[in-house]
Formats: sequence, structure tokens, C-alpha cells
Amino acid sequence: GDSVTQMEGPVTLSEEAFLTINCTYTATGYPSLFWYVQYPGEGLQLLLKATKADDKGSNKGFEATYRKETTSFHLEKGSVQVSDSAVYFCALLMDSSYKLIFGSGTRLLVRP
Amino acid sequence: DAGITQSPRYKITETGRQVTLMCHQTWSHSYMFWYRQDLGHGLRLIYYSAAADITDKGEVPDGYVVSRSKTENFPLTLESATRSQTSVYFCASSGTPYNEQFFGPGTRLTVL
Repeated sequence: GDSVTQMEGPVTLSEEAFLTINCTYTATGYPSLFWYVQYPGEGLQLLLKATKADDKGSNKGFEATYRKETTSFHLEKGSVQVSDSAVYFCALLMDSSYKLIFGSGTRLLVRP
Repeated sequence: DAGITQSPRYKITETGRQVTLMCHQTWSHSYMFWYRQDLGHGLRLIYYSAAADITDKGEVPDGYVVSRSKTENFPLTLESATRSQTSVYFCASSGTPYNEQFFGPGTRLTVL
């Protein structure tokens, strides 16, 4: 079945470091891909999305490129801040379904 | 307030009791979803609804019941709570079937 795999956390970085959180997917068709962020004590918020191959989603300095050849959607940010500390979820949505399939989440801790 | 709200935010109950978690959205979104979040599992879909009076099972529906008599409300009922249903529950809604979902703040449920 369709699935999403994320790198395990926590990922601990110093402020201004470069961030990469890996996400790969398995899908029978051509999904839309999403990154959601969950700040402590809150619900999930959409961070960025991409709907077709080679699309780049971007928001708040975060970027992710939809790579069909490697079935990946890695999240990157050039310079993280303490306020970026949160749990990040990669998710996919198939054209034939409206059910989001989530990865297990990656916790990011950014130290001052 | 506009958006999607959940109540209660925290609930402690005992094994065997019935519990209802409420979800309300003000966008008139057709699609609504219930997820549970457990460590190591990310978010898993319990039930979803495409419109009033239309509901369907997700990945982990056992022990849960839903109803949708009005577009804006989507309550989730645990008919006889079990300890394994201790979790954080998120409600979400979407205006279109194949697009981003908007999440509520969550309900933390503890079953003793």
C-alpha cells in the first residue's frame, strides 16, 4: 500500500545550521506531497506542498522538491532558528483518494 | 471564531465509559476527518466524512463511532473506552477532496 517514511529523530541542531529532514514515499500513482509542522501543544499546520514531479514547495524559508525518480520530498532550510523547534510530518495524498497518509514525524530541536 | 475547534481539549475517563469528542468548523468544508496521534505511528485516520450523513472508515475505526448530521459538526464517540484508546485526537477539514487539510488543536484523551 501507499506509505511515507521519514528519518527518525530527534534532530538536534544549533541555531543557523542547515536542516535536512528526509522523506521518501511509496505510491502506486502520482501523489501530491505535503509537509506539515506541529508546534508544541498545537495541531498540525500545512508548511508547504507540491502536486507534481519537479515542483518545489516553499514557505518560511523551508523548501522541498518533489523528486519522482527517487520518490523523495526532503525538507530543507538554510538557517534554522530556535522557533523552528517542532515536529515535522511528511504526507502524501493520492488523486484517487482524499485520505492523507502521514509519516511518523521527525522532531527538530534547535539550540541557541 | 472562524476555523476548526475541538472540545474538550483534555479528557480523563475510565475504562468502559462512553466519551464523545466534538469537532466544529466554520468554513462549511464538505470533508472532515478524525485522526489519532500516537508516538511512533504519526497520525492514523479513524473515520472520515465527505458530506453530511456520509461517513466511512479509515485505517483504525474499531471502537469508534461517528455521525455527521450537520456539515459543520463531526463528533467522535468511543462507545466503551479502553486504555489502548489513550491518545491525542485531531479533527481536520478540507474544502476540496484532493487538497490540504486544516487541523484542529487536538484533544488529549487519557483512559484509566
